Amino acid sequence: QVQLVESGGGVVQPGRSLRLSCAASGFTFSGYGMHWVRQAPGKGLEWVSFIPFDGSDNYYADSVKGRFTISRDNSKHTLYLQMNSLRPDDTAVYYCARDTYHLGPFDLWGQGTLVTVSS
Amino acid sequence: EIVLTQSPGTLSLSPGERATLSCRASQSVTSDYLAWYQRKPGQAPRLLIFGVSSRATGTPDRFSGSGSGTDFSLTISRLEPEDFAVYYCQQYGSPLYSFGQGTKLEMK
Repeated sequence: QVQLVESGGGVVQPGRSLRLSCAASGFTFSGYGMHWVRQAPGKGLEWVSFIPFDGSDNYYADSVKGRFTISRDNSKHTLYLQMNSLRPDDTAVYYCARDTYHLGPFDLWGQGTLVTVSS
Repeated sequence: EIVLTQSPGTLSLSPGERATLSCRASQSVTSDYLAWYQRKPGQAPRLLIFGVSSRATGTPDRFSGSGSGTDFSLTISRLEPEDFAVYYCQQYGSPLYSFGQGTKLEMK
């Protein structure tokens, strides 16, 4: 079954760190670029980060640049998002999504994992 | 960064009616790299339209996209009950993606 499953969300205090994972199955993970997208409560979708199929580069939204790091392990079919120096406005459901081609639209999404940043 | 503004925020229509959703960009969208997604409660977003007007696999032909430059629209020719959802436009093709804030299509 072609799917993406996120994990690693939870409640964390401001300033702390959290690492999200996205496990891919049913397709050749190493052949696709991958993204993280988030949705804060009551808000719309916000693109967070992109990594190409081979992990050779990465891109970030200004709101997370310098604090978040995207990575991938193609041998484990898994995408990661390391989130440091978390802030209350990082509270959101985080989704991983598959790129249709390099810097294309997203044709497969996970169900999301909730991150709550609160003291 | 390209800012996408969708209108209206909420659209109230009845099944069988025609829906037109708008997406305006703060600057010209590169190579017409504009997509539309449908989002239903409790579900992940679903890609409907890419490249302004190309339907994704499985998208019914009552959905159509149009526009160029900075003004784009998604039209649903005859609304079915399953079409009531939130719709987002997205610009891609550059390393800094952006989404519109969404249009909620609700049943009147």
